Amino acid sequence: DQQVKQNSPSLSVQEGRISILNCDYTNSMFDYFLWYKKYPAEGPTFLISISSIKDKNEDGRFTVFLNKSAKHLSLHIVPSQPGDSAVYFCAARDMKTSYDKVIFGPGTSLSVIP
Amino acid sequence: GAVVSQHPSRVICKSGTSVKIECRSLDFQATTMFWYRQFPKQSLMLMATSNEGSKATYEQGVEKDKFLINHASLTLSTLTVTSAHPEDSSFYICSALTGARVETQYFGPGTRLLVL
Repeated sequence: DQQVKQNSPSLSVQEGRISILNCDYTNSMFDYFLWYKKYPAEGPTFLISISSIKDKNEDGRFTVFLNKSAKHLSLHIVPSQPGDSAVYFCAARDMKTSYDKVIFGPGTSLSVIP
Repeated sequence: GAVVSQHPSRVICKSGTSVKIECRSLDFQATTMFWYRQFPKQSLMLMATSNEGSKATYEQGVEKDKFLINHASLTLSTLTVTSAHPEDSSFYICSALTGARVETQYFGPGTRLLVL
């Protein structure tokens, strides 16, 4: 059973507009959440993270929102740029189980149209 | 950022043969490396945690005799798929930890394995 879900396999957004990527999780013990970005033929790279004690974390054009009661998080990219076109993975960690292991969602492929 | 390489990037083999995939941390030492497997349109599934100088820790459902992991040095971990079968065809990706925080996990580019 998938503990981290990304129900939209793909998303297309116009350049300059906001991209919103969604992620849902089932394990209430998750205490840390991460977003990774992956270009073709490359490994995922860390983008932004958020602790379960926060509801928002911002880094430049990227903001992650966490709604613990809904077990939902989202990544906002604004303004979106063509270089943001990639696969975005949501990931989560349960610190009580393991400090350094994360569980990944299936990814959402974002296309930013110039 | 830190660089992790994988070799080969792509391999095609016959059923029954063994395939070795190397994962190297190029500019840092990694006491811990991870091996993942990804099926099309699915998550990266953790297969095992590889610690330098000790036996790998396998996730539930992963056959340790089929997927041999060796972490002989602080910069190299290898995954050997023994007696490969078509169902082992997948994308295998490794990562290495540079520090204590989970964000310091750097991924290799992955290896595409096709077993005929």
